[in-house]
Amino acid sequence: AQKVTQAQTEISVVEKEDVTLDCVYETRDTTYYLFWYKQPPSGELVFLIRRNSFDEQNEISGRYSWNFQKSTSSFNFTITASQVVDSAVYFCALSEAGIDNQGGKLIFGQGTELSVKP
Amino acid sequence: ETGVTQTPRHLVMGMTNKKSLKCEQHLGHNAMYWYKQSAKKPLELMFVYNFKEQTENNSVPSRFSPECPNSSHLFLHLHTLQPEDSALYLCASSFGLAGVITDTQYFGPGTRLTVL
Repeated sequence: AQKVTQAQTEISVVEKEDVTLDCVYETRDTTYYLFWYKQPPSGELVFLIRRNSFDEQNEISGRYSWNFQKSTSSFNFTITASQVVDSAVYFCALSEAGIDNQGGKLIFGQGTELSVKP
Repeated sequence: ETGVTQTPRHLVMGMTNKKSLKCEQHLGHNAMYWYKQSAKKPLELMFVYNFKEQTENNSVPSRFSPECPNSSHLFLHLHTLQPEDSALYLCASSFGLAGVITDTQYFGPGTRLTVL
């Protein structure tokens, strides 16, 4: 069965610290997609990244970087030099591909609430 | 308007009321979704529409009734709700080929619903 686990419920850091948010997933499919979303206090989920299961290259976008490791079924997210504006709840999600997923299901983790203090 | 919009942003209703949530996407997508986000719980998928056809009903109680008149609009009609239905209701949209939806979902700001 599909499952996404974000073991860290809450993380608190001081501005300029680096922080890594963990995500571990379970799936039986060989083709799947992984996502990270940010949910600031306003409520809207903001899309950050989509990665397919065949692309294990790590990605960097500004202060954000993602480490995808199929061997450990992990898709971790690192924020370098954190800022107060990074304070939000971050969700990792999994979607399996193929005709069995006609419902477009995204399976979300529980979310990690990041608090960056000045 | 850009992206995905939702109205109203906040709604308070009694258990005997009937109300509707509206979602509109301006991204040219053809798949739309309703999610429920309760406190301390992960997002729960409620309904999926692809090319106006409902492709997923995740065992949602009948007091929630979705409607998708076209690929740009999605409604959630509410009636005789319970206090435990209080939550943030999020709408999302994505591209989808007929029968297969795997593309990135873009979310609206949500409607914060309180049932008294």
